[in-house]
Amino acid sequence: QLQLQESGPGLVKPSETLSLTCTVSGDSISSSSYYWGWIRQPPGKGLEWIGSMYYSGHTYYNPSLKSRVTISIDTSKNQFSLKLSSVTAADTAVYYCARQFSYVSSFYWGQGTLVTVSS
Amino acid sequence: NFMLTQSHSVSGSPGKTVTISCTRSSGTIASNYVQWYQQRPGSAPTTVIYEDDQRPSGVPDRFSGSIDSSSNSASLTISGLITEDEADYYCQSYDNTNHVFGGGTRLTVL
Repeated sequence: QLQLQESGPGLVKPSETLSLTCTVSGDSISSSSYYWGWIRQPPGKGLEWIGSMYYSGHTYYNPSLKSRVTISIDTSKNQFSLKLSSVTAADTAVYYCARQFSYVSSFYWGQGTLVTVSS
Repeated sequence: NFMLTQSHSVSGSPGKTVTISCTRSSGTIASNYVQWYQQRPGSAPTTVIYEDDQRPSGVPDRFSGSIDSSSNSASLTISGLITEDEADYYCQSYDNTNHVFGGGTRLTVL
């Protein structure tokens, strides 16, 4: 059964870069034509899609975050990653990694990890 | 970019039926699939409806989804309410380059 596990620092300073990794088990990133992505949820608020990457490398980013976001895949480690630069307190959120069978399908979610932006 | 608008909250008594709506601001609701997610406190969202009206295995048939082109909206209907249905529900759809979530609806089972 597919499992997605987010990992990374729980505290990031303002203006620095947030970096998270999602470890995939129960499936191979490189052998499946899936989309791998990130979604976030500020405390007490709703969900916001950050971006997705097709297994071949094509990326789609939320237009409002595009200038600060990079998603990448490491097939050797069966992981994919999120980098969000120049963070502010507004980027404090639970960050979820997720998989889609196709661009139009629903998301399958990891359990999420809280990242707080504070000095 | 388009938006998906949901009512902030809805409530119902055990055994009753509630409907949660999701209205698309631009573009045609029927042109892109709508998914619905349930999120209980402290947990990640899970899919209760995908591709407008399909139920994943394990989701009871008390959950149903539909599309109304006349109002450019999607709906999630939950019948036979039980206390475990109390949660936040989010709709989600997409266009060529962007995925969008509704603001969420809190369901309270009284």
